[in-house]
Amino acid sequence: EAEVAQSPRYKITEKSQAVAFWCDPISGHATLYWYRQILGQGPELLVQFQDESVVDDSQLPKDRFSAERLKGVDSTLKIQPAELGDSAMYLCASSLQGDQPQHFGDGTRLSIL
Amino acid sequence: DQQVKQNSPSLSVQEGRISILNCDYTNSMFDYFLWYKKYPAEGPTFLISISSIKDKNEDGRFTVFLNKSAKHLSLHIVPSQPGDSAVYFCAATQGGSEKLVFGKGTKLTVNP
Repeated sequence: EAEVAQSPRYKITEKSQAVAFWCDPISGHATLYWYRQILGQGPELLVQFQDESVVDDSQLPKDRFSAERLKGVDSTLKIQPAELGDSAMYLCASSLQGDQPQHFGDGTRLSIL
Repeated sequence: DQQVKQNSPSLSVQEGRISILNCDYTNSMFDYFLWYKKYPAEGPTFLISISSIKDKNEDGRFTVFLNKSAKHLSLHIVPSQPGDSAVYFCAATQGGSEKLVFGKGTKLTVNP
């Protein structure tokens, strides 16, 4: 079982609705990542946090996606409004500061109807 | 523009034989490479890595080879076991950045 906790495991929602994912990284890991994996592709980084600060959100569609890590521990990724093309696996990962490898959670499978 | 390429979507080998998974990259600034294994309905799990200052790294049945001049790396699994059946992702990073760039993955099937 992955040490990075994610919930929910599965989410089905209609387009235009709001959806949120939660991640709790490995204890002591300062760096947290959110990835999106489309079927048949590799994971792509959406946002990277160092403690509570965003380090890289260059690939985050900011018109509809938001991410926060208010206390530098757990994190929430939100999509509003959801679009059909957002259907994917959303993976959270964490690592010790400035170190590899990244450790992944089991992800949230999102389906937009 | 894929910076990390895994050109074989799938690979099938017999139990006990060698599995060789290949990965090519285009960005010469990449200096650290990782392999992840992913089972269905689970997140990727780190397998093995190699720094660009090395050309080989070995961990039990898993060995990664790096050919910088060819911008090519490969993962060798010897001997292959049915439990190795999974999707294998090659990933790269550069210059101390923690941002991983992944390939599309290769699905390995090890037949008993």
